[in-house]
Amino acid sequence: AQSVAQPEDQVNVAEGNPLTVKCTYSVSGNPYLFWYVQYPNRGLQFLLKYITGDNLVKGSYGFEAEFNKSQTSFHLKKPSALVSDSALYFCAVRGGDDKIIFGKGTRLHILP
Amino acid sequence: ETGVTQTPRHLVMGMTNKKSLKCEQHLGHNAMYWYKQSAKKPLELMFVYSLEERVENNSVPSRFSPECPNSSHLFLHLHTLQPEDSALYLCASSQEGTGSEAFFGQGTRLTVV
Repeated sequence: AQSVAQPEDQVNVAEGNPLTVKCTYSVSGNPYLFWYVQYPNRGLQFLLKYITGDNLVKGSYGFEAEFNKSQTSFHLKKPSALVSDSALYFCAVRGGDDKIIFGKGTRLHILP
Repeated sequence: ETGVTQTPRHLVMGMTNKKSLKCEQHLGHNAMYWYKQSAKKPLELMFVYSLEERVENNSVPSRFSPECPNSSHLFLHLHTLQPEDSALYLCASSQEGTGSEAFFGQGTRLTVV
């Protein structure tokens, strides 16, 4: 069965510092990997995806993610955090059965 | 705007009421989903419709009844809910078979009193 793990419930980063939100996955076949962001009382907003090709994918708002097949990871990164990046972040995977499975989410706090 | 519209945005209902949540997608997708998001719980997939047929029902209580009359519309009919059903209900759509991402609506914040 496919699964997604986000090992951190919360990540705190000082404004201006680089941030990383971790995600690992388990899936049969080639994975399609996604990151979403959610602001309070809003739906999930798509940030970026990996389907194939370059392991480093760039997305919205300066975010990027690195696909690592050997470690089955897809960590979200940003070189310099903004206070406005504070939100709930979800990693998701679509596997061979075409279902999209979400991680439990990681709350990101950017400290001014 | 993501192309997925949910109404209403907020709903307060009594435990004996009957109400419906509506979702409409303008993206030409062939699959639609209902998710439940409760405080401090993971996102729960409730129902999946693919090509207007229900393909997944994750042990959801019968007081939740989905309906997909066509590929653009999805409803969630609610009756005799419990206070623990209070949550944010999210609708999403995607194009299955392409590896594409899902697009979410803004959600309906449901409070059962």
